[in-house]
Amino acid sequence: AQKVTQAQTEISVVEKEDVTLDCVYETRDTTYYLFWYKQPPSGELVFLIRRNSFDEQNEISGRYSWNFQKSTSSFNFTITASQVVDSAVYFCALSEANGNQFYFGTGTSLTVIP
Amino acid sequence: NAGVTQTPKFQVLKTGQSMTLQCAQDMNHEYMSWYRQDPGMGLRLIHYSVGAGITDQGEVPNGYNVSRSTTEDFPLRLLSAAPSQTSVYFCASSYFLRGPVYGYTFGSGTRLTVV
Repeated sequence: AQKVTQAQTEISVVEKEDVTLDCVYETRDTTYYLFWYKQPPSGELVFLIRRNSFDEQNEISGRYSWNFQKSTSSFNFTITASQVVDSAVYFCALSEANGNQFYFGTGTSLTVIP
Repeated sequence: NAGVTQTPKFQVLKTGQSMTLQCAQDMNHEYMSWYRQDPGMGLRLIHYSVGAGITDQGEVPNGYNVSRSTTEDFPLRLLSAAPSQTSVYFCASSYFLRGPVYGYTFGSGTRLTVV
């Protein structure tokens, strides 16, 4: 079973719309980290956020916000007032306390149309 | 402050050839890993290392070898390239923080084509 599921393969929005990228994870550990990475068309992987399993507070960073809900094993990512520069593939990932690796979702490709 | 450096950025190999993808980091990270990225499959772990002299297999290790003789370097060797190894390869490093891998710094990737 996949540990990290990003059910949305591709999303297109018009500039200035809000968009939410979904991430559902699976783990038996009580201590774990969740991450979001951005991969713009240039190909590099850019770290966006890390959240530990004991901190369920939502986080906001400019136009980006993250909603972590342990009850539904979800860690969703919202971009407010999207811009063309937000066009990228976004990956959600999980790191477990007793593991030595990340588990990545298959990514969501976001296209922001001007 | 170079971070994680991967070389080469692009490579074309013929089936059956061998080659080494280089990865070096200057952050004194204990943990290093190699991932491959294929369309629709996200990033899959090939091999990883938790310190010099220690390596282990990830999800897709077949056809690849690694070694970790120094903290800084973690080369990935393709023993006999196959078209199925056409992919984008990423090296990543991290330090540990009380158990989980704390967060990766990625290299810029190597785009490999096997013909």
